Amino acid sequence: DTAVSQTPKYLVTQMGNDKSIKCEQNLGHDTMYWYKQDSKKFLKIMFSYNNKELIINETVPNRFSPKSPDKAHLNLHINSLELGDSAVYFCASSQGELRSGTQYFGPGTRLTVL
Amino acid sequence: EDQVTQSPEALRLQEGESSSLNCSYTVSGLRGLFWYRQDPGKGPEFLFTLYSAGEEKEKERLKATLTKKESFLHITAPKPEDSATYLCAVRENRGTSYGKLTFGQGTILTVHP
Repeated sequence: DTAVSQTPKYLVTQMGNDKSIKCEQNLGHDTMYWYKQDSKKFLKIMFSYNNKELIINETVPNRFSPKSPDKAHLNLHINSLELGDSAVYFCASSQGELRSGTQYFGPGTRLTVL
Repeated sequence: EDQVTQSPEALRLQEGESSSLNCSYTVSGLRGLFWYRQDPGKGPEFLFTLYSAGEEKEKERLKATLTKKESFLHITAPKPEDSATYLCAVRENRGTSYGKLTFGQGTILTVHP
């Protein structure tokens, strides 16, 4: 069973387009995250949602807008894509912060902006 | 701001040659140090969480240890299937951080048969 899933796996698009990445977790967790992994493999947090409420927003351009329709889903919409947005985007989930806080990651979405 | 530095950047071992990976960190209050394994084209896979200095955890050929300034991931008699990027991350003891992890740049481990 897939714990954290993302779609699509690969996304190739032109500069200026708008695109979305979807994430779903079936672990029953209440906190979800979006991370960006650049070409140097650094993983950096972008957003975190707890019970559908935005908790962390890490200096991300407002072209990026996360949306959490329910606790099991966290989608990422990106407007006016730029070359520098090319990266691998990972979704993760955890059960709160006060418990183990272990984050489980999805398989990633490789975004290429041409 | 939290800082996490991993060394070496890359490590090549022969099968059976034990070694250690290092993760040095600077946080105002540690609320967990995490080790993950990442295979090419996949998401990070959770290995260990350590919470306090002196704590150790083991899983198969891997053993993670923690001091007040660094963590080590010891690999005993590695096999080729242990080849991966190993990531270290810390969570700071801030009230409303809600699980924000700061990652190091990773160590790429290659084990040759």
